Amino acid sequence: QVQLQESGPGLVKPSETLSLTCAVSGYSISSGYYWGWIRQPPGKGLEWIGSIYHSGSTYYNPSLKSRVTISVDTSKNQFSLKLSSVTAADTAVYYCARHRGFTAIFDYWGQGTLVTVSS
Amino acid sequence: DIQMTQSPSSLSASVGDRVTITCQASQDISNYLNWYQQKPGKAPKLLIYDASNLETGVPSRFSGSGSGTDFTFTISSLQPEDIATYYCQQYDNLQYTFGQGTKLEIK
Repeated sequence: QVQLQESGPGLVKPSETLSLTCAVSGYSISSGYYWGWIRQPPGKGLEWIGSIYHSGSTYYNPSLKSRVTISVDTSKNQFSLKLSSVTAADTAVYYCARHRGFTAIFDYWGQGTLVTVSS
Repeated sequence: DIQMTQSPSSLSASVGDRVTITCQASQDISNYLNWYQQKPGKAPKLLIYDASNLETGVPSRFSGSGSGTDFTFTISSLQPEDIATYYCQQYDNLQYTFGQGTKLEIK
């Protein structure tokens, strides 16, 4: 059974960089599929942040592209998100997920982790 | 950018009712449309992919249809455990957008 687990600080100061890691178990990232990050502000809808292919190719939401970096570490079977220059508007539950193909059928999700941006 | 318009934003129905949610894309997205269920405090769960394909393990009372710009998600007979928020999600040119969500409640 494929499982994903987000980890990282729950509180980040404004203007700093948010960093999260998604550990994958039950499937080897290097075997294929795409791996993505999605966020959900409290009480609001879902927003795709970006995705990475197992080879390391990345693509991002244009609205966040200038601040986002997604990377993969196949040796640790995990992938990571960095979001720079955060503001209160970046407060959200952050999910990592696997998706089947470039059409983004998100079939496995992490439980999500709340990140609050506040001084 | 493609915009997704999901309606209604909320819906109240009785157990056993047929429930329908629609999602409209601002331009043709072929059948690149998926539907998710999200219960409070939980991650979304994939129900339907490529507009009409039922994900493995999902009850058959859930179904989807449509192509191009207009899509429909249906619960044939609403069950108490179906109370959740439902989202459509589209793909276009390596960009993914979710609908605004439909909150489904029991009447």
